[in-house]
Amino acid sequence: EAGVAQSPRYKIIEKRQSVAFWCNPISGHATLYWYQQILGQGPKLLIQFQNNGVVDDSQLPKDRFSAERLKGVDSTLKIQPAKLEDSAVYLCASSSRQGSGEKLFFGSGTQLSVL
Amino acid sequence: QKEVEQNSGPLSVPEGAIASLNCTYSDRGSQSFFWYRQYSGKSPELIMFIYSNGDKEDGRFTAQLNKASQYVSLLIRDSQPSDSATYLCAVNPSGGSYIPTFGRGTSLIVHP
Repeated sequence: EAGVAQSPRYKIIEKRQSVAFWCNPISGHATLYWYQQILGQGPKLLIQFQNNGVVDDSQLPKDRFSAERLKGVDSTLKIQPAKLEDSAVYLCASSSRQGSGEKLFFGSGTQLSVL
Repeated sequence: QKEVEQNSGPLSVPEGAIASLNCTYSDRGSQSFFWYRQYSGKSPELIMFIYSNGDKEDGRFTAQLNKASQYVSLLIRDSQPSDSATYLCAVNPSGGSYIPTFGRGTSLIVHP
């Protein structure tokens, strides 16, 4: 079974530039998450999708971040314009929603450096 | 704000010892609890989950949950150098949102 695919693996940009990340979840997984992980911290949720609808985006900085999940499969996360504090690893995860919990399967992440 | 607290460590144990990792959470109504392992430069990988009070064992790993005291722990028996990683505790809050909140992780170092 293929895992969660993410690209690019690394990205270096200058502040005020824009950047986009792509994620393809595990086949059949209805729920998709984008997390931001700053060095030395745990992952912080940015947005959760259930199929192609947004479940929670309360921690997404909407003045600069946007995300979409077309057709309930692939997802893109965009930052425009980027700030220095956006330097982090952006993790995509998916789950099939089993029982009362969520077992997340993570992609390899995109490491973003904003200079 | 619902929080998950972990000591960042590092926790250093000798090879063959028992490593004990602890996590506390603020949301008393939380229902499900997870431990993820994250090697340096890699993404988190689920290693254990527990829903009920008590112990759950899987190989060298044991998860322990005490809802009354609001803590969950992970024991690693016969620790190996390959267990050296950051261990993230994740908690699903009450309210049915099923959105895991992660702690900052505890760095474990197993030295030969």
